[in-house]
Amino acid sequence: GAVVSQHPSWVICKSGTSVKIECRSLDFQATTMFWYRQFPKQSLMLMATSNEGSKATYEQGVEKDKFLINHASLTLSTLTVTSAHPEDSSFYICSASRVGSIYNEQFFGPGTRLTVL
Amino acid sequence: DQQVKQNSPSLSVQEGRISILNCDYTNSMFDYFLWYKKYPAEGPTFLISISSIKDKNEDGRFTVFLNKSAKHLSLHIVPSQPGDSAVYFCAASDGSAGNMLTFGGGTRLMVKP
Repeated sequence: GAVVSQHPSWVICKSGTSVKIECRSLDFQATTMFWYRQFPKQSLMLMATSNEGSKATYEQGVEKDKFLINHASLTLSTLTVTSAHPEDSSFYICSASRVGSIYNEQFFGPGTRLTVL
Repeated sequence: DQQVKQNSPSLSVQEGRISILNCDYTNSMFDYFLWYKKYPAEGPTFLISISSIKDKNEDGRFTVFLNKSAKHLSLHIVPSQPGDSAVYFCAASDGSAGNMLTFGGGTRLMVKP
């Protein structure tokens, strides 16, 4: 149990286009989903926290108009990178916390590698 | 200000020996700590966790030790296996709503056969 999927796993796009990444909890309902970004050889950087049906909370320095997050249901959150530029190229990972979990566990998706040309 | 630090970016250990990965934190409100293992181009996978009411938690080859007074935790892997080679992240939570985690910078473990 506790499987999180991401789609697509890899995307290449032209500069100026928008890219949508989906994060799904496959076998559980997620109260909260998190979006992280990882640069090569660096740690996971939390971008935003989203709760189903409400607006996402963005970390300092993350542009909310650039990285649109929609958490439409207890099993799906989407991250849209708008007007992507080469500096947005990165590895994006989502995670989900399970409804009713008493432990602060997050279950991570496999990640999406975004390359902007 | 990094609230969770892993001061060793890399560690090399011989197969069969013990691997010790260290993590320090500064926020005294943290009350739950987790270790994640990550392979390249994959999401982190949960390894083991510990609540601040304990000082040790063991699961098979993995043991996590917590020293609250020193704000230090460590992950012991024994015996180390080549398949353990990965990047290990420690993470901490202060129990706030949403289970937000603060991650350390990671330690790359290389287990040599």
